[in-house]
This record gives sequence, C-alpha cells and structure tokens, in this order.
Amino acid sequence: AQRVTQPEKLLSVFKGAPVELKCNYSYSGSPELFWYVQYSRQRLQLLLRHISRESIKGFTADLNKGETSFHLKKPFAQEEDSAMYYCALRQGTYKYIFGTGTRLKVLA
Amino acid sequence: DTEVTQTPKHLVMGMTNKKSLKCEQHMGHRAMYWYKQKAKKPPELMFVYSYEKLSINESVPSRFSPECPNSSLLNLHLHALQPEDSAPYLCASSQGGQPGGQPQHFGDGTRLSIL
Repeated sequence: AQRVTQPEKLLSVFKGAPVELKCNYSYSGSPELFWYVQYSRQRLQLLLRHISRESIKGFTADLNKGETSFHLKKPFAQEEDSAMYYCALRQGTYKYIFGTGTRLKVLA
Repeated sequence: DTEVTQTPKHLVMGMTNKKSLKCEQHMGHRAMYWYKQKAKKPPELMFVYSYEKLSINESVPSRFSPECPNSSLLNLHLHALQPEDSAPYLCASSQGGQPGGQPQHFGDGTRLSIL
C-alpha cells in the first residue's frame, strides 16, 4: 500500500539548532514527493518538491530511494519556522497522499 | 493572479439547510480539488476535477455534491449535513496531471460549522 509516514507528531528545537523532520514513504513506482507547510492561521503552502532540488527558506530535502526517505532539513532553526509540516506523495495522476504531519516548535 | 480564492471564509448552517462553497482560480490550472481537514490532521481528499470532469470521488457521502461549471470555478453543494461534517474545507488547484512534480496550490479554506 502507498503510504507516507511522519513519525514525529511534535518536534521542539532551540533557535539556531539544526532541524530534521523525518518522512518515509512506501510507493511501488517512481515517487514524486513534496513538503508543505502550514503556519498558524494560514493556508497550506508548498515548501519544496524533490524534483526541483531547491532550497526554500533555508530548508532542503533529498530523496533517498534506498531508504525510501525524504527528510526535511535546516541547519539553523528560526522562530518563524514554527509551523505544521506535511510530507506528501503524489500517487497516480491526481491523488496526493499526505503524512500525518509534524508540528515544529522553535524555542527562543 | 497566483491564488486560490475560497468563499465564504466561515459558514454556519443547520442540518436541513442547503448551502454552497465556492472556489476560484485564475492560474490556468486544469485540475481542482476539494479536501476536508479536521483539526491538526492532514487534508483528506474528497473530489478531483480534471478538465472540468470528475476524476476522483473518494466515496464521499451524497450530501456533498461537487460541481465544476468552468475551468476556473469549483463549487461544493451541501445539503442535510451532519454535525460531524463540521471542519475546514480546502480547495486546491494544480496545472494538471503531468509528471514532473506539479504542486497543488491551496486556498485559505472555508470553516464550516453544522448546528
């Protein structure tokens, strides 16, 4: 079965510390993976997609097919990074499977 | 215009009412989606329209009825809803089904409360 797993419901780090939000997937084909972020009282918005290999707001994510992972990383967390983060996998043409999300809290 | 606009922002309705949620985008996207998002949970897919045709219905109860009048507009007609249907409802759009990591763009959502 196709699945996206985010093992941490909540991740708390201090400002300036490195951050890694874990995402593992199960998919039989060639995966298309995304990270979405939802700040408090704001819309869900795209943060990263694996195919573009870009860095947004200091975040990066590398697709590791051997470990079936797409972890989100940032070397130095900032308070404004506090938000809900969802990893998503595109299944087929139009279906997106979301993980359960990880709430990131960056402490001052 | 790079936004998905949803109206109304909030809706309170009784179980016998009929109301509609509206979603609009002018990005030329050909796929549009309805999601339900319970508090602190990921979005749950309800419907997908592709090129104005219903492509996916995730076994949603018939009290929810989607409509796509044109490529820019998506409606969700509501009738005889239950209290457990109270939730934010999100609309999203994407360019289409091409491979290559086409992301979805989400609206702010409509917060629906059923009395």
